[in-house]
Amino acid sequence: DAKTTQPTSMDCAEGRAANLPCNHSTISGNEYVYWYRQIHSQGPQYIIHGLKNNETNEMASLIITEDRKSSTLILPHATLRDTAVYYCIGDNNDMRFGAGTRLTVKP
Amino acid sequence: NAGVTQTPKFQVLKTGQSMTLQCAQDMNHEYMSWYRQDPGMGLRLIHYSVGAGITDQGEVPNGYNVSRSTTEDFPLRLLSAAPSQTSVYFCASSYSNRGRAGNTIYFGEGSWLTVV
Repeated sequence: DAKTTQPTSMDCAEGRAANLPCNHSTISGNEYVYWYRQIHSQGPQYIIHGLKNNETNEMASLIITEDRKSSTLILPHATLRDTAVYYCIGDNNDMRFGAGTRLTVKP
Repeated sequence: NAGVTQTPKFQVLKTGQSMTLQCAQDMNHEYMSWYRQDPGMGLRLIHYSVGAGITDQGEVPNGYNVSRSTTEDFPLRLLSAAPSQTSVYFCASSYSNRGRAGNTIYFGEGSWLTVV
């Protein structure tokens, strides 16, 4: 089961790309990586998930390294509303969340 | 489609009182869980259930009980409330707890609990 490691906090300028890293060096072969975000004490919401290939949806892009030991969530044009805590988890870890990364988008 | 519904949204308890936080989901999910979130902190898993009749402890189970008599409902009971249990509580559900594509976790809106 993957234990994930994320930076505690990051800043990003409005309109620029936000790149949020996640280390999951113990991830197993069939374990998906999921990303969620939590805006100001609301319930966390799903963003994107992937296994091996890079993924993109209307919210974000997910880049997974070839060895699957790390991934990066990309918000291509960050807005002030993207200020939130972002969680990366492997879906074989019984839904245990870490502290996540607190992203602050600044004007 | 209501998703995950938690009640109450806000509650103030006195030390030593007991109460139950209700959680219901209408997505026929097998897996349900409870988290607490203290100010400025991440989510910590209290208890979880992989199906009706099956529950297990998470990271911070002390002072809480759960039961899962139906697939839909997963109530969290505070046995004797303490100020240290002042927190925001989130209930969540998913199709399974591991190893599936599309295994998205859905969260409720949270229950704000203050113990005085």
